[in-house]
Amino acid sequence: DTAVSQTPKYLVTQMGNDKSIKCEQNLGHDTMYWYKQDSKKFLKIMFSYNNKELIINETVPNRFSPKSPDKAHLNLHINSLELGDSAVYFCASSQDSPSGGYNEQFFGPGTRLTVL
Amino acid sequence: GENVEQHPSTLSVQEGDSAVIKCTYSDSASNYFPWYKQELGKRPQLIIDIRSNVGEKKDQRIAVTLNKTAKHFSLHITETQPEDSAVYFCAASMGWEYGNKLVFGAGTILRVKS
Repeated sequence: DTAVSQTPKYLVTQMGNDKSIKCEQNLGHDTMYWYKQDSKKFLKIMFSYNNKELIINETVPNRFSPKSPDKAHLNLHINSLELGDSAVYFCASSQDSPSGGYNEQFFGPGTRLTVL
Repeated sequence: GENVEQHPSTLSVQEGDSAVIKCTYSDSASNYFPWYKQELGKRPQLIIDIRSNVGEKKDQRIAVTLNKTAKHFSLHITETQPEDSAVYFCAASMGWEYGNKLVFGAGTILRVKS
């Protein structure tokens, strides 16, 4: 009955490698997000997708490429990993619409990425 | 773009006392203000939110107030309990036209001493 799930939970890799994090939501939401939480706990949005379309790209290096195969999935692929990419990455989803109304963003459990 | 400042960065209170966390935002177009609680090693979870057409909202021991003129909002927790210990984040959103993105404050570590 998990609402927003991410895999893997932990990811340890070497600098220069390419890795992916997967996210799935079973809430029927149409908007999904990726957030990065750094070592100081600061949470910052990276991307958002609505119905598989990119809505927000917050000046994230193009080594980060999100992919949304359908509205229940939003994966994050990272090329040429750098030390500074070490962080916890959270996926989130919400049910939003242009007519307004703000709905809770539900967060996944997070993926702790460590780049050595 | 929107900027959210949050104070204090750490807060220690005795069990049963009240705790207040304050946030200010920069863009008057922001109209949705959620508060998230994050326990150690866990995901952020929404505890309360307020929309710009409301000045105050309460849910049991938790309340949020919003002053649109001054562009600040606050979280109030009464009768604190040890399980309230966590990191609390305020956030602001400018709505659909801006992708409903949440801009978070830097967080407040709340410690409730028993």
